[in-house]
Amino acid sequence: DTAVSQTPKYLVTQMGNDKSIKCEQNLGHDTMYWYKQDSKKFLKIMFSYNNKELIINETVPNRFSPKSPDKAHLNLHINSLELGDSAVYFCASSQMRAGGNEQYFGPGTRLTVT
Amino acid sequence: AQSVSQHNHHVILSEAASLELGCNYSYGGTVNLFWYVQYPGQHLQLLLKYFSGDPLVKGIKGFEAEFIKSKFSFNLRKPSVQWSDTAEYFCAVMPYNTDKLIFGTGTRLQVFP
Repeated sequence: DTAVSQTPKYLVTQMGNDKSIKCEQNLGHDTMYWYKQDSKKFLKIMFSYNNKELIINETVPNRFSPKSPDKAHLNLHINSLELGDSAVYFCASSQMRAGGNEQYFGPGTRLTVT
Repeated sequence: AQSVSQHNHHVILSEAASLELGCNYSYGGTVNLFWYVQYPGQHLQLLLKYFSGDPLVKGIKGFEAEFIKSKFSFNLRKPSVQWSDTAEYFCAVMPYNTDKLIFGTGTRLQVFP
């Protein structure tokens, strides 16, 4: 009965590699997000998608490319990984409504680039 | 630019002590306000939220928060903490009619038995 799930939970890779993180939600929400949490625990939004359409893109390097095959999935592909990409990446989902919404977070993917 | 400040970076309390964590934001318009909690090794969970109405909001696990518009504040309180409240607490602001959550830097709470 997991609401927002992410795979993998841990990802260790070398600089220069390309990797993907997958996210799925079974809440029937129409909007999904990617957040990055750095080593100081600071959380910052990277992207949001509403019904497979990119809504928010927060000055993230072009090496990061989100892909939403349907509204229940939002994957994050990262090219040419750098040391500074090491972080915990959280996926979230919500139902967009006038005024604002409550976002539900996944368990996170801890990415370590060596 | 919009920002959220959490002045207490690390708080250490004994069980049964009262808790108040500060949160201030800078944004001139209407906002929705949230407190999330992250237990060690886990994902973020919503503690409580304020969209409109009564500025005193009650959440899960005995937490409450008060929105004071004139002070741009949304402080989190709990009258008596438990060891199980040990976690990282994040305040977040969402400008009205957007879905962009802006997080504070978090407050680490340690509760000792």
